[in-house]
Amino acid sequence: DAGVIQSPRHEVTEMGQEVTLRCKPISGHNSLFWYRQTMMRGLELLIYFNNNVPIDDSGMPEDRFSAKMPNASFSTLKIQPSEPRDSAVYFCASRDSTNTGELFFGEGSRLTVL
Amino acid sequence: AQSVTQPDIHITVSEGASLELRCNYSYGATPYLFWYVQSPGQGLQLLLKYFSGDTLVQGIKGFEAEFKRSQSSFNLRKPSVHWSDAAEYFCASHSGGGADGLTFGKGTHLIIQP
Repeated sequence: DAGVIQSPRHEVTEMGQEVTLRCKPISGHNSLFWYRQTMMRGLELLIYFNNNVPIDDSGMPEDRFSAKMPNASFSTLKIQPSEPRDSAVYFCASRDSTNTGELFFGEGSRLTVL
Repeated sequence: AQSVTQPDIHITVSEGASLELRCNYSYGATPYLFWYVQSPGQGLQLLLKYFSGDTLVQGIKGFEAEFKRSQSSFNLRKPSVHWSDAAEYFCASHSGGGADGLTFGKGTHLIIQP
């Protein structure tokens, strides 16, 4: 199995630009999660999907952030417009339907907003 | 709401010495509990998990953890650390119901002295 695949691994952009992060979950997994990791706040859950439907987006910082999951094998997290305080590592994780809680993480997308 | 506390931000251990990383959870019922490890620039990898049954669980890389309900703890241990164990370690909990994500502690940074 290829695992959770995220792209890009690194993104450097200027304030005000649109950023799109991509995620391919493990085949057969029906839940997908977006986390953000910073030194100050640690790992924060932004949003999660179950069977492609957003279940809880209460962790999304503000309206500049949006996430979609058009099908079972692809999700995007978009920031528009980006700000320096959005600089962080963004992780995607997926989980199967056994509901034991275990998440499988991608390697993350490191975002730097100048 | 669930919470996970890792009281130690940094821990330094000599190579070959034993290790114990602390984790306390706050949840009314018995949660599902996890330990993840994150090497620099990498995603999170599952070390071990506890759902029920034997309170001492074995994981990968020679790690083990013990669930103690009376202390609301799930401490991670290793009898003899190797330089390659230097990493960030995260404790996490899950309520076991629904499709929600894991609640993570802030992490403990493990430094190995030669």
